[in-house]
Amino acid sequence: KAGVTQTPRYLIKTRGQQVTLSCSPISGHRSVSWYQQTPGQGLQFLFEYFSETQRNKGNFPGRFSGRQFSNSRSEMNVSTLELGDSALYLCASSLNRNTIYFGEGSWLTVV
Amino acid sequence: QQQVKQSPQSLIVQKGGISIINCAYENTAFDYFPWYQQFPGKGPALLIAIRPDVSEKKEGRFTISFNKSAKQFSLHIMDSQPGDSATYFCAATLPGNTDKLIFGTGTRLQVFP
Repeated sequence: KAGVTQTPRYLIKTRGQQVTLSCSPISGHRSVSWYQQTPGQGLQFLFEYFSETQRNKGNFPGRFSGRQFSNSRSEMNVSTLELGDSALYLCASSLNRNTIYFGEGSWLTVV
Repeated sequence: QQQVKQSPQSLIVQKGGISIINCAYENTAFDYFPWYQQFPGKGPALLIAIRPDVSEKKEGRFTISFNKSAKQFSLHIMDSQPGDSATYFCAATLPGNTDKLIFGTGTRLQVFP
């Protein structure tokens, strides 16, 4: 069974640009969550989607947005990138809270 | 009140020893407490989890001890191996229609042969 797939794995962007990250959940998982991981702030919850609806959102500015498609695949977008947005962005998919699986993440560097 | 405090920040243990990582929380509404293991360059992987109505859960060399009255829980790794060297995160979730994980700050474990 394929795991959670995130693309791209690595990317470098310039301040002010925008970025879109993609996540393909495990087959059959309808819930997708996104987390930001940095050395200073640790793992922080961004948002959660279920059946194309956002059902929970973390404390991030509006520059961070996401969506989920009918096939459960999800994307997150960060607009007007800042240096502080450099981080590992992790996607997790789940059937329920006992089965939350993470992808390997997308490493974003903002220069 | 939604924080989970984790200690120590780093831990060095000799092969065969016991590694102990502690977490504490304030919000008594938390109803599920998983532990995640993360290797460099990888995403976190679920290791073991416990609910507050259970005081201890053991899976192989990994044991969670849960003290509901003290609002604390800990991960014990028995017979620690160099392959256990990783960063460990405790987490908590609230009840309801969400899988949102609230993570501790992480403990970097190094096991030396």
